[in-house]
Amino acid sequence: DADVTQTPRNRITKTGKRIMLECSQTKGHDRMYWYRQDPGLGLRLIYYSFDVKDINKGEISDGYSVSRQAQAKFSLSLESAIPNQTALYFCATGTGGRNEQFFGPGTRLTVL
Amino acid sequence: GDSVTQMEGPVTLSEEAFLTINCTYTATGYPSLFWYVQYPGEGLQLLLKATKADDKGSNKGFEATYRKETTSFHLEKGSVQVSDSAVYFCALSGWQGGKLIFGQGTELSVKP
Repeated sequence: DADVTQTPRNRITKTGKRIMLECSQTKGHDRMYWYRQDPGLGLRLIYYSFDVKDINKGEISDGYSVSRQAQAKFSLSLESAIPNQTALYFCATGTGGRNEQFFGPGTRLTVL
Repeated sequence: GDSVTQMEGPVTLSEEAFLTINCTYTATGYPSLFWYVQYPGEGLQLLLKATKADDKGSNKGFEATYRKETTSFHLEKGSVQVSDSAVYFCALSGWQGGKLIFGQGTELSVKP
């Protein structure tokens, strides 16, 4: 089984709809992250969490919110989706410091 | 702030050709450096890493050396295969709460 899972893998929605993307991990890591990937821009950090009670904004948090329901679960919400939020979204986990992160398979979101 | 710059793609090579993908970084202190690979339709996988100056990371025939004097971490492979076709991301993790800073990605296409 995959260590980091994301649901759904693909989603098409309409402008103004509320969308939730979910991430679960079995690696036992405290730190979880949400990134957005756009062509030619690499990955950009949306939100990150060091533990259940510690949520932090990344560089592009506007229009997004998150919830850390448990150590193993970290959800990303788009309260009112807009077309420029069409992108590939990745969840990642890690142990912090200068160590690597481990990525889920991604969710491809299209906002019409 | 910290940043990573990669050579632009796409890069197209013939099978068995030599590969270099350039990566330079700007960071305070001594970050860890990573190369991630994203195969079509998949998430990011860690390819290799280096945690201090002059370290050489290697995996699957790929190598990269942490050069502090030139702030570089260029990815090389002596003989590429069609199966190496993917997008390659250079990244660093500094003293910013374990956040990864990514380059924009370089798409590699290897032709038979």
